[in-house]
Amino acid sequence: DAMVIQNPRYQVTQFGKPVTLSCSQTLNHNVMYWYQQKSSQAPKLLFHYYDKDFNNEADTPDNFQSRRPNTSFCFLDIRSPGLGDAAMYLCATSRDPAGIQETQYFGPGTRLLVL
Amino acid sequence: GESVGLHLPTLSVQEGDNSIINCAYSNSASDYFIWYKQESGKGPQFIIDIRSNMDKRQGQRVTVLLNKTVKHLSLQIAATQPGDSAVYFCAESPLGQNFVFGPGTRLSVLP
Repeated sequence: DAMVIQNPRYQVTQFGKPVTLSCSQTLNHNVMYWYQQKSSQAPKLLFHYYDKDFNNEADTPDNFQSRRPNTSFCFLDIRSPGLGDAAMYLCATSRDPAGIQETQYFGPGTRLLVL
Repeated sequence: GESVGLHLPTLSVQEGDNSIINCAYSNSASDYFIWYKQESGKGPQFIIDIRSNMDKRQGQRVTVLLNKTVKHLSLQIAATQPGDSAVYFCAESPLGQNFVFGPGTRLSVLP
């Protein structure tokens, strides 16, 4: 089945130690998103790629970076995780022909714990 | 700024009853709306969507109603089951812009 896959499902890192979260998709969607979701809150968009074009939300900290080497893969890099970065990180994809918004499909998420 | 909100942060219903989850949105330019279900420890799961040229759309046991006049969106779940227990998010998207999520409503189904 076509899907959005996130690895790992759980990630533990140390304060200040760089960490990378991975997302892959078999849907061949041109748009990929990274969201941060803290407990009992709504997902908050960090950035998204429209094909190779990177779009950063204005309030996303510089500590968060992303890479999309090809259509299928997208990575979230946290350069120096702080305790406040502990959260669920959600990857999503959508097919966005001609700028018309379509449904976003989410992966299962990676829960990040910062010690 | 523009925001999406929910009237009820928690909702408890008896198994077998119908559930209604509400969402108020403030961006009149929004033209596409989605309801997501999120179970504990999982990613949001698409339930149903609606575009602004419609006021009602039905799926299996779910109905979404859109009232553009008062900028209100609702999700109706018929014959609520224990498996429906989750947090439900509405999300709105103005044309060409990213989705904005509401704060979520936790639905608890009582036996």
